[in-house]
Amino acid sequence: DQQVKQNSPSLSVQEGRISILNCDYTNSMFDYFLWYKKYPAEGPTFLISISSIKDKNEDGRFTVFLNKSAKHLSLHIVPSQPGDSAVYFCAASPISIQGAQKLVFGQGTRLTINP
Amino acid sequence: ETGVTQTPRHLVMGMTNKKSLKCEQHLGHNAMYWYKQSAKKPLELMFVYNFKEQTENNSVPSRFSPECPNSSHLFLHLHTLQPEDSALYLCASSQDRLAGMNEQFFGPGTRLTVL
Repeated sequence: DQQVKQNSPSLSVQEGRISILNCDYTNSMFDYFLWYKKYPAEGPTFLISISSIKDKNEDGRFTVFLNKSAKHLSLHIVPSQPGDSAVYFCAASPISIQGAQKLVFGQGTRLTINP
Repeated sequence: ETGVTQTPRHLVMGMTNKKSLKCEQHLGHNAMYWYKQSAKKPLELMFVYNFKEQTENNSVPSRFSPECPNSSHLFLHLHTLQPEDSALYLCASSQDRLAGMNEQFFGPGTRLTVL
């Protein structure tokens, strides 16, 4: 049973517009949520995170929104740029008192920004 | 070298071979991870090491054998693999803290093909 789901395998957006990537989760024990970006032939790179005590976190063009009651988070990229074309992974982790955290990943959404 | 490096980047092996994947992190982190990404599936956590001690084995078959000689190096020893083990194997590291989110930094991965 998949605990983190990204239901859109792909998304195409015009350059300059807003990209919205969605993620749903089922485990109410998740306390931290992260977005990673992956280019071909590279490992995932950390983009932005949010803890469950917040509902929004912003970093430049990237904003993550968390709706705990709906168990839903989204990543907004505005304005979208061609370099944003990549696969985006949503990940979640329960709070860990021991430190090393177990991330559970979604399947990924391939974002294509069209010029 | 900076960040997380993995060697080899590509590996083709027969089912009777024994091979090893190597990961090295240059970030001073104390937690290291092995993930598996099969085609069209989410990244799956395999093993977690925290201060060289294995803290997680996510029901991984014994034909995969991890080794962590120190906090900077992580190996994945492979023997008698099956074709369905063909996948991208990713290594990651993070700085263990008792509180807060510890984002994981990924290597570029080893693309493994089992014939």
